[in-house]
Amino acid sequence: SQQGEEDPQALSIQEGENATMNCSYKTSINNLQWYRQNSGRGLVHLILIRSNEREKHSGRLRVTLDTSKKSSSLLITASRAADTASYFCAPLNTDKLIFGTGTRLQVFP
Amino acid sequence: DAGVIQSPRHEVTEMGQEVTLRCKPISGHDYLFWYRQTMMRGLELLIYFNNNVPIDDSGMPEDRFSAKMPNASFSTLKIQPSEPRDSAVYFCASSLSGAADTIYFGEGSWLTVV
Repeated sequence: SQQGEEDPQALSIQEGENATMNCSYKTSINNLQWYRQNSGRGLVHLILIRSNEREKHSGRLRVTLDTSKKSSSLLITASRAADTASYFCAPLNTDKLIFGTGTRLQVFP
Repeated sequence: DAGVIQSPRHEVTEMGQEVTLRCKPISGHDYLFWYRQTMMRGLELLIYFNNNVPIDDSGMPEDRFSAKMPNASFSTLKIQPSEPRDSAVYFCASSLSGAADTIYFGEGSWLTVV
């Protein structure tokens, strides 16, 4: 198992702007997942990208994966105040998802 | 489906007391996970079960912590005796086929040990 490391730790933007969060990991993976956590709530699954995929979309979310650089990015387009949350990546190479410390995104109206 | 259900949502207890956290996974899910979240350490995987059997408990911090899953619809995480450093949010989560699948989290049990 391994832990993803998110960057930046915190991000503040205005509504309508795009938000990009990055994730780096150390060893080979089977897939990588992104989760969101609203304050005081549990984590919610956003998207899963497999090691043989390079890009995946889901609504306003776009995830990329570069296995050669061992990195992934999550792009939220046209952000909304409701996107304010912490975002976690979780690379998987064995049987356990280990979460990083997350990126805290603040979207101002 | 109601999702993963945890109880209690909030608990305040005195140091030395026993704490029992409960979880009902989503029906049909074969995997159950217990995580702990603190500001200092982030999200830590404590233990996970497959078909009610503990598979990996390497994240359980010490012998004061124990977890059981007597049947497919119920799990407990027990801390005895509790200490102030156990104060955290404890999440239960479940999935159909393990960590490679989507994991569904409960809303957490907020534990404060004074």
